[in-house]
Amino acid sequence: EVQLAQSGGGLVQPGGSLRLSCAASGFTFSSNWMHWVRQAPGKGLVWLSGIYNDGSSTMYADSARGRFTISRDNAKNTVYLQMNSLRVEDTAIYYCARDFLGYFSHWGQGILVTVSS
Amino acid sequence: EIVLTQSPATLSLSPGERATLSCRASQSVGSQLAWFQQKPGQPPRLLIYEASNRATGIPARFSGSGSGTDFTLTISTLDPEDFAVYYCQQRANWPWTFGQGTKVEFK
Repeated sequence: EVQLAQSGGGLVQPGGSLRLSCAASGFTFSSNWMHWVRQAPGKGLVWLSGIYNDGSSTMYADSARGRFTISRDNAKNTVYLQMNSLRVEDTAIYYCARDFLGYFSHWGQGILVTVSS
Repeated sequence: EIVLTQSPATLSLSPGERATLSCRASQSVGSQLAWFQQKPGQPPRLLIYEASNRATGIPARFSGSGSGTDFTLTISTLDPEDFAVYYCQQRANWPWTFGQGTKVEFK
């Protein structure tokens, strides 16, 4: 069974940093792109970033580029999202997702990030 | 970026009725479109990929159609568990984008 277990969320002050983790199991992690998607309270879904199987290629939405960094450790079956210079508007539930045939086939449970003073 | 516009914003229906949801892209995405279902407090669930292929475990009452810029998700006979928010998403061009969602609610 595919599982994506997320951790690392919480409350952070504006300008602060946070690193989200997503530990995968139940599939060959190193064979899949992985992605991060977020959802602000009561709002829709926004794709943030994706990373190729071996980490050699990364893609970012404009809202993430320059402040967020996606990475992965295939030995640990884990993908990360490092978020710096956080803003109040980054408050959201953050999801990691497995890419299968180019689509988000499996999702983590989501983790809440709250940016507030 | 490609903008996906979903309509209607809200669909008020009763169990047993047919639901037809629309997703229009600002430029052609070919068949590179997916549909997701999201219930409160849960992550999205992949229903349809490549415009018309049902994902694993998705009931046959869900079907997708369309190509280019116009797409439709049809739920042939609404089950009580189908009342949720539905999103379309394109993967034809970076950045991948989602529509704003259609809420299917009880009439």
